[in-house]
This record gives sequence, structure tokens and C-alpha cells, in this order.
Amino acid sequence: QNTLKESGPALVRPRQTLTLTCSFSGFSLLTTQVAVGWIRQPPGEALEWLALIYGDDTKVYSPSLRSRLTITRDTSSNQVVLTMTHMDPVDTGTYFCARSLLLASPFDLWGQGTTVTVSS
Amino acid sequence: EIVMTQSPATLSVSPGERVTLSCRASESVKSNLAWYQQKPGQAPRLLIYYTSIRATGVPGRFSGSGSGTEFTLAISSLQSDDFAVYYCQQYDDWPRTFGLGTKVEIK
Repeated sequence: QNTLKESGPALVRPRQTLTLTCSFSGFSLLTTQVAVGWIRQPPGEALEWLALIYGDDTKVYSPSLRSRLTITRDTSSNQVVLTMTHMDPVDTGTYFCARSLLLASPFDLWGQGTTVTVSS
Repeated sequence: EIVMTQSPATLSVSPGERVTLSCRASESVKSNLAWYQQKPGQAPRLLIYYTSIRATGVPGRFSGSGSGTEFTLAISSLQSDDFAVYYCQQYDDWPRTFGLGTKVEIK
């Protein structure tokens, strides 16, 4: 069964670094065109794509957040990790990881999301 | 970046009605356009990809059309399970971008 699940802290202090883990099963991130990405959603707002990593370790980032994001993968443990530095209250929201199967394709499978609150 | 504009922001409809949701891209995305459905407290669910192909398990009452910059999602006869927010997304260029969504609510 193909699944993704996000994990990470529910509360982060301003200026701290957020580290989120996406654990997936049922597919491999060793295939070149398969990718796992991160998308976030502030409360009551729209979806925003953040970053994506392909099976060949190619990484793509949102230009507006590029300086704060790092995406990595651990193929042995089937995990993708996203770090976001210098967290701010505007970064509060639900963070989703999702799968993409081709170089140009939508997100066909999503995790349930993890909620992150940035507050002192 | 490609800006995706959805209209209307909210649609108030009765069950059984046909609804049409619009999505416009600021530049051509060819046919690389997807639609997602999101219910409160849930992750988005892929409904339509490549403009008009229904994802696995999506009922036939959902259909997509368009190309280039103008796209439409139609629901032929709205069911109670269809009240949700619908997002379009382009995957033709980086960064991937979503529209702000159309909320379909019960009239």
C-alpha cells in the first residue's frame, strides 16, 4: 500500500529551525522520475508548494523560500526530510508531503499533514 | 512564476445541480493542469490530471477541460460528498503553483 506520513514538532519558537520528516512506503525514491515534495497550507488559506526531490537526488525549491529550505532523502529508510530555517509566525500551518510520479506530473498521493505552530 | 486564478471564490449550490469551476493561468501551461478536492481537516485529493484525465477512483460526474491558459472543472450532478474546496495546480513550470481555491458550499 502506497502511503506517506509527515512527522515533526507541533510547536516551534520564532527564529528556530523546523525539521519535518516524510516517511513513505509502497514505492521507491530510487526511480529517477519519482519525486517527493512538500506543500504547506496556512490556516484557512491556499496551498503553497515548497520543495521537491527526485529519485536522482535533483532538488527544486520555491524561489521565494529558497534561502531557508533544504530537502534531503534517505533511501535506505524511505524518508524525505525538509528543514526550514528562521521560522516566523507566518509559517504557521499544515505541512504536507506528497508524491509525484513523473518529471512533469501532479501530486497523486498525499500524507495526512502535520500542523506546525510558530509562537513564542 | 505562473499565477493561477480561480473563479468564483465561492459557489453556493443545491445537490443535484451542475457546477462549473474556472481556472486561468497567467501563461500557457499546455495541458499540465490538475484539480484537487480538499475537505476540512483532510489532505488534498487528486481528481483530474493532464487537464481531463480522472484519477483512479474518481466518479464520472467529474470532468475537466481546457488547454493553454483556460481550464474548467465540471461536476455534472453535485452530491453531498462533493461539498469541498477545489484547487487547480499547474505542473508545467517551476515553481509549481496552485490557485486560491473555489469553495463549493450547500445553498
